[in-house]
Amino acid sequence: DVKVTQSSRYLVKRTGEKVFLECVQDMDHENMFWYRQDPGLGLRLIYFSYDVKMKEKGDIPEGYSVSREKKERFSLILESASTNQTSMYLCASSLQDGAYEQYFGPGTRLTVT
Amino acid sequence: GQSLEQPSEVTAVEGAIVQINCTYQTSGFYGLSWYQQHDGGAPTFLSYNALDGLEETGRFSSFLSRSDSYGYLLLQELQMKDSASYFCAVDRYSSASKIIFGSGTRLSIRP
Repeated sequence: DVKVTQSSRYLVKRTGEKVFLECVQDMDHENMFWYRQDPGLGLRLIYFSYDVKMKEKGDIPEGYSVSREKKERFSLILESASTNQTSMYLCASSLQDGAYEQYFGPGTRLTVT
Repeated sequence: GQSLEQPSEVTAVEGAIVQINCTYQTSGFYGLSWYQQHDGGAPTFLSYNALDGLEETGRFSSFLSRSDSYGYLLLQELQMKDSASYFCAVDRYSSASKIIFGSGTRLSIRP
């Protein structure tokens, strides 16, 4: 059974903290994605990676960075958390580099106070 | 700019058929996907269209008309468990705005 796991289900951080969100997939997929999901806005792509150490910006990369040192792991970093980064963060992986057949993790609900 | 439009809410009766529409305005389009998301759950992939026409997967079908920049998801023999949010998503030939998701349609099923 395919699986994407995320390090935390819920996370509360203070403004200005550096935050790490981890995502691991066990499907040997080349492509991994980070989204944020906010009510009424759907999913918005933050960053994606099509290979180890390779990354591309999505629609809303400002305030975020990513790291992919191993094929199975894709990390999202909030360099200095702000209240407007309070959101649900979803990680996904796929054999393709588009929206086709992505497998999503359960999400991390991040609250920044 | 790039945009997708889908209705925010749809209500239907158990056993009936419902259609969820998605219109898009985007350059570099090459495919339309559909995802289902139950409350508190992760999105799960349902269907994909790259060419015009209907793709059928069990009770779910998806349609695409590239000339009309329009697609829809058709759900037949509705069951209560189909109550969820449904998202369309466009793939683009572009590294920026490469994948665009719609804001989602919340489907409520009545007995």
